[in-house]
Amino acid sequence: EAGVTQFPSHSVIEKGQTVTLRCDPISGHDNLYWYRRVMGKEIKFLLHFVKESKQDESGMPNNRFLAERTGGTYSTLKVQPAELEDSGVYFCASSRSLGEGDTEAFFGQGTRLTVV
Amino acid sequence: TQLLEQSPQFLSIQEGENLTVYCNSSSVFSSLQWYRQEPGEGPVLLVTVVTGGEVKKLKRLTFQFGDARKDSSLHITAAQPGDTGLYLCAGARGSSNTGKLIFGQGTTLQVKP
Repeated sequence: EAGVTQFPSHSVIEKGQTVTLRCDPISGHDNLYWYRRVMGKEIKFLLHFVKESKQDESGMPNNRFLAERTGGTYSTLKVQPAELEDSGVYFCASSRSLGEGDTEAFFGQGTRLTVV
Repeated sequence: TQLLEQSPQFLSIQEGENLTVYCNSSSVFSSLQWYRQEPGEGPVLLVTVVTGGEVKKLKRLTFQFGDARKDSSLHITAAQPGDTGLYLCAGARGSSNTGKLIFGQGTTLQVKP
């Protein structure tokens, strides 16, 4: 079974540009989460989807960040326009819903975003 | 505000030594998870502790959840170079949301042969 996959693995963009990160969760996992780790800080929660619906977006830093999960499959996280402080590693994780078995969250390898 | 304080942040020891990593909080968690992360990879779950006072063992690793479910520890016995890596604790609140986690800063462990 394929794990959580994220694209791209690395991205270097200039301040003011737009970047879109993609996450393909494990097939059948209704829950999808985005996290971010900025340099020197802990991994922080950004957003939680249940299927195509945003369950909790309390961790989104500001309105330059837009997450979507059309059709409840893969998800994208767009940063527009990117700022220097957006640099970091963005992780995606997915898990089953309660009652559907183990609810362990599986993480992708992350996308390292560098804004210069 | 750091809700989950993890210590130490860095640890360099010789093969065969024992070590303990701590995660402390003033908040109560419904569960606490320990992850290990390799360079270029995402965190991989080692164990989840749910009940206050719970102890779980995974080979040479022993995990404990505090009685009040506010703190946890990871103890490694006779560390091996293969144990080198980043160890993360993460707490969950609420019974149905195991994926929305509050992470500690992580402990980078180096075990020298």
